[in-house]
Amino acid sequence: DAMVIQNPRYQVTQFGKPVTLSCSQTLNHNVMYWYQQKSSQAPKLLFHYYDKDFNNEADTPDNFQSRRPNTSFCFLDIRSPGLGDAAMYLCATSPGLAGEQFFGPGTRLTVL
Amino acid sequence: EDKVVQSPLSLVVHEGDTVTLNCSYEVTNFRSLLWYKQEKKAPTFLFMLTSSGIEKKSGRLSSILDKKELFSILNITATQTGDSAIYLCAPLNAGNMLTFGGGTRLMVKP
Repeated sequence: DAMVIQNPRYQVTQFGKPVTLSCSQTLNHNVMYWYQQKSSQAPKLLFHYYDKDFNNEADTPDNFQSRRPNTSFCFLDIRSPGLGDAAMYLCATSPGLAGEQFFGPGTRLTVL
Repeated sequence: EDKVVQSPLSLVVHEGDTVTLNCSYEVTNFRSLLWYKQEKKAPTFLFMLTSSGIEKKSGRLSSILDKKELFSILNITATQTGDSAIYLCAPLNAGNMLTFGGGTRLMVKP
């Protein structure tokens, strides 16, 4: 089945230790998004790729970076995680920019 | 700045009740509005609304958009415990990005 896959589902890291979250899709969608969702809050868009074009949201901290080596994969790198970065990180895809987004199951990040 | 307000923040009902969830928005160059259901995992898509006054239905769920008054409602009839979730509305804005509201947490008791 076509789907959006995120690995790992749960990630524990230490304060300041870099971490990489992975997203892959079999939908062949052009657009891939990364959202951060903290407890009891709405998902907040961090950035998105339209094909290889990277688009950063204005208020996304520099601590967050992303890579999209090919259509199927997109990575979220957190260079120096702080306690405030503990959250669910959701990856989503869409065929274009103006329609439904398909979400992966998320990676729950814990920072010790 | 785009703004999305959902109400109520939370709601507790009993099985069989009907609920109405509200979403008001102020979005630059609005294109459409999406509703998602989120349980203990990622949001799952419910509806996308683009035109005013046209109700979309899926089983016991229905939704409608009013582009003049800038709001949408999501109705759930004959609620079941499986409807317990957070319901998120998300307008698509000028940059073709979704802006999520804070959600309505619905709990359906047996």
